Amino acid sequence: DQQVKQNSPSLSVQEGRISILNCDYTNSMFDYFLWYKKYPAEGPTFLISISSIKDKNEDGRFTVFLNKSAKHLSLHIVPSQPGDSAVYFCAASVDTGGFKTIFGAGTRLFVKA
Amino acid sequence: ETGVTQTPRHLVMGMTNKKSLKCEQHLGHNAMYWYKQSAKKPLELMFVYNFKEQTENNSVPSRFSPECPNSSHLFLHLHTLQPEDSALYLCASSRDGAGAETQYFGPGTRLLVL
Repeated sequence: DQQVKQNSPSLSVQEGRISILNCDYTNSMFDYFLWYKKYPAEGPTFLISISSIKDKNEDGRFTVFLNKSAKHLSLHIVPSQPGDSAVYFCAASVDTGGFKTIFGAGTRLFVKA
Repeated sequence: ETGVTQTPRHLVMGMTNKKSLKCEQHLGHNAMYWYKQSAKKPLELMFVYNFKEQTENNSVPSRFSPECPNSSHLFLHLHTLQPEDSALYLCASSRDGAGAETQYFGPGTRLLVL
């Protein structure tokens, strides 16, 4: 039972355009959401996060939107650059007596020059 | 360079072998994690250590045995693995495992079980 789902395994976008990566979750108790980025042969690195009490967080070209009623979050990258080509993991944290982070399966983003 | 190193980077082993994966973090963190990433699947949390004490075992088979001798080092001992255990094993650390902290990942060990 996947609590965090990234239904698009891959996404291809032209350089300069917007990339939108989507993530759905099932557990309404999640209180923090994170996006990680992974290049080949490297571990995931933290990109941006959002608390469940907010609906938007922006950091440079990266913006995360949270829609709690739909249990949906998205990562917007604008403008997209070829260096953004990577796998993006959505993650959610919940306090189960100790915080636990649950990851999605990832979406591979290709940004074409 | 995230401050978390893992060795070896690649490992091929037979089902009867015993091997160990090593993780070291240079960030002064107190929480360390083992994850398994199989192809096209989410990262699966395996174990969590907080201040050297195991706080999470996510129903991992006993053929995987973690060891945390101190807050900077984490091992995963492997014994009589199965081919389906072939995956990328990622180690991560965070400040103290409390709250929704950013985790810092190592590059992973790609394991192939023959």
